[in-house]
Amino acid sequence: GENVEQHPSTLSVQEGDSAVIKCTYSDSASNYFPWYKQELGKRPQLIIDIRSNVGEKKDQRIAVTLNKTAKHFSLHITETQPEDSAVYFCAASTNFNKFYFGSGTKLNVKP
Amino acid sequence: SAVISQKPSRDICQRGTSLTIQCQVDSQVTMMFWYRQQPGQSLTLIATANQGSEATYESGFVIDKFPISRPNLTFSTLTVSNMSPEDSSIYLCSVVPTDTQYFGPGTRLTVL
Repeated sequence: GENVEQHPSTLSVQEGDSAVIKCTYSDSASNYFPWYKQELGKRPQLIIDIRSNVGEKKDQRIAVTLNKTAKHFSLHITETQPEDSAVYFCAASTNFNKFYFGSGTKLNVKP
Repeated sequence: SAVISQKPSRDICQRGTSLTIQCQVDSQVTMMFWYRQQPGQSLTLIATANQGSEATYESGFVIDKFPISRPNLTFSTLTVSNMSPEDSSIYLCSVVPTDTQYFGPGTRLTVL
């Protein structure tokens, strides 16, 4: 099955700085790569996703890049704010049949 | 989008008992997924539940421990059987109605 690795496990940045979280996957058949934000005590919420036919996608302060050859994708958050503090999960899926999650990154944005 | 509800939202159970968790969706969906999220950990897929067929379990999860029902396209149940403290976790259902995955609010289970 698919194996998704995520780094770093914790990330602490100053407000206004950028944050980058990286994931690798093992199954070349994976073609959908979502990112989720999970605040304490709440369910995961999709924040951005990318499909395998696209190399980069941006939504305001959030962007995701995908390198299919190297089998890795990254989440970029610019101009971080304290409300960005949460746990972020990457995932990989093949045709939405199953989703395999990374281990999570706890992001702390210091005011 | 999809609106998903789960019951119960939390429960405290005794060792050796069973708990059935319900998941209700506001629209018809082909596949429903059940996940476990242990404290401070990531989400682990337990099984995929399709209406009208047996659930497909991931490695490490078996039907005798986690029986699943999927009687129609908007509802599913997950039972955690013969519970032990190691089963203490948050259990979430999720659906993919079009091309986005949505999660239920989760059921926080504590086994004493």
